[in-house]
Amino acid sequence: DGGITQSPKYLFRKEGQNVTLSCEQNLNHDAMYWYRQDPGQGLRLIYYSQIVNDFQKGDIAEGYSVSREKKESFPLTVTSAQKNPTAFYLCASSIKGGAEAFFGQGTRLTVV
Amino acid sequence: AQSVSQHNHHVILSEAASLELGCNYSYGGTVNLFWYVQYPGQHLQLLLKYFSGDPLVKGIKGFEAEFIKSKFSFNLRKPSVQWSDTAEYFCAVTKGNFNKFYFGSGTKLNVKP
Repeated sequence: DGGITQSPKYLFRKEGQNVTLSCEQNLNHDAMYWYRQDPGQGLRLIYYSQIVNDFQKGDIAEGYSVSREKKESFPLTVTSAQKNPTAFYLCASSIKGGAEAFFGQGTRLTVV
Repeated sequence: AQSVSQHNHHVILSEAASLELGCNYSYGGTVNLFWYVQYPGQHLQLLLKYFSGDPLVKGIKGFEAEFIKSKFSFNLRKPSVQWSDTAEYFCAVTKGNFNKFYFGSGTKLNVKP
């Protein structure tokens, strides 16, 4: 099946620890995105990448980092610098040119 | 600031009622417009999209949306809602052929049986 796989589905982290969320797609899409979803705030863009080895900051990039070493993979690291990391994180991908985005199932991160 | 606004945060309807959810954006120039739906416990799915052509767009499950350029709006409509339409609905915009998506804050729809 083609699609976007995010893992894990639930993640717990202690304060002060970095954690990496996985996102893999087999749709051969060039562009990939990370969003954060909080109640009442919709989806806010953290980082996006339009091609391999290149990525740009979104609206709320502070405290996060990404890499894009392979077309299929766009992992997100939530660092200890992120002040309020507890949230639902969504990964998406699309072909170039403003086409629709396809979303993964999401990872719910809780800092304990 | 550039933004996408969904003014209805929470809508409660009875089955068979008509639905209209508002979406306004503040970008000039060419835009692509989308409505996504998130059913409870499921991932975001595309309902419909507008790139060009007929401003009245029909999507899945009986939904439609109308692009009114002069009003910077892309409102979602359905003549008769069902209990299974209970979900959160998100409007999104991309500019021209650029991939960056801007989302509204979402509208939670609760349809009472």
